[in-house]
Amino acid sequence: DAGVIQSPRHEVTEMGQEVTLRCKPISGHDYLFWYRQTMMRGLELLIYFNNNVPIDDSGMPEDRFSAKMPNASFSTLKIQPSEPRDSAVYFCASSLEGNGQYFGPGTRLTVT
Amino acid sequence: GENVEQHPSTLSVQEGDSAVIKCTYSDSASNYFPWYKQELGKRPQLIIDIRSNVGEKKDQRIAVTLNKTAKHFSLHITETQPEDSAVYFCAASTARTGRRALTFGSGTRLQVQP
Repeated sequence: DAGVIQSPRHEVTEMGQEVTLRCKPISGHDYLFWYRQTMMRGLELLIYFNNNVPIDDSGMPEDRFSAKMPNASFSTLKIQPSEPRDSAVYFCASSLEGNGQYFGPGTRLTVT
Repeated sequence: GENVEQHPSTLSVQEGDSAVIKCTYSDSASNYFPWYKQELGKRPQLIIDIRSNVGEKKDQRIAVTLNKTAKHFSLHITETQPEDSAVYFCAASTARTGRRALTFGSGTRLQVQP
């Protein structure tokens, strides 16, 4: 298995632009998580899905952030419009039931 | 909700010594406790985990202990090596109402001096 796949690995964009991050979970995993990591705030859970259904989005910072999971093998996290304070590393992770979460390589987002 | 506290925030040891990182959690319903290692610029990687029905688990040089009564768990690394240098995160999750989210500690930066 290739593990969790994320794209792009790096994204540099200007303030106000729309950003879309993509994730492919490990095949067969039924949970998918989106995290954001910064030096100041550490690892923050943004949202997670179970069987493609959003379960908890209380970590999504504001309405500019949205996430979808149209099928078991694909999820997107969208920021529109982006702001400099959104600059961070965004990780996607997947797990099977209550077992450990496996993280993707992350997307390093820089908003100028 | 769950709150996980981790300490120390930084830890420096000599190669070959042992390292211990401690975490406490607040939600008595938490029943799964993984530990992650994150090297600089890399993803967090699951290194060991323990469930609430087990008091201790070992995997080669690493071990985790759990005290449910006191609501704390610890990571023990023996015979440390320079490649153990990384940030280590503890986490906790609960099966309460079907939740599977992890609450992470703030991390411990371990430096193993050769």
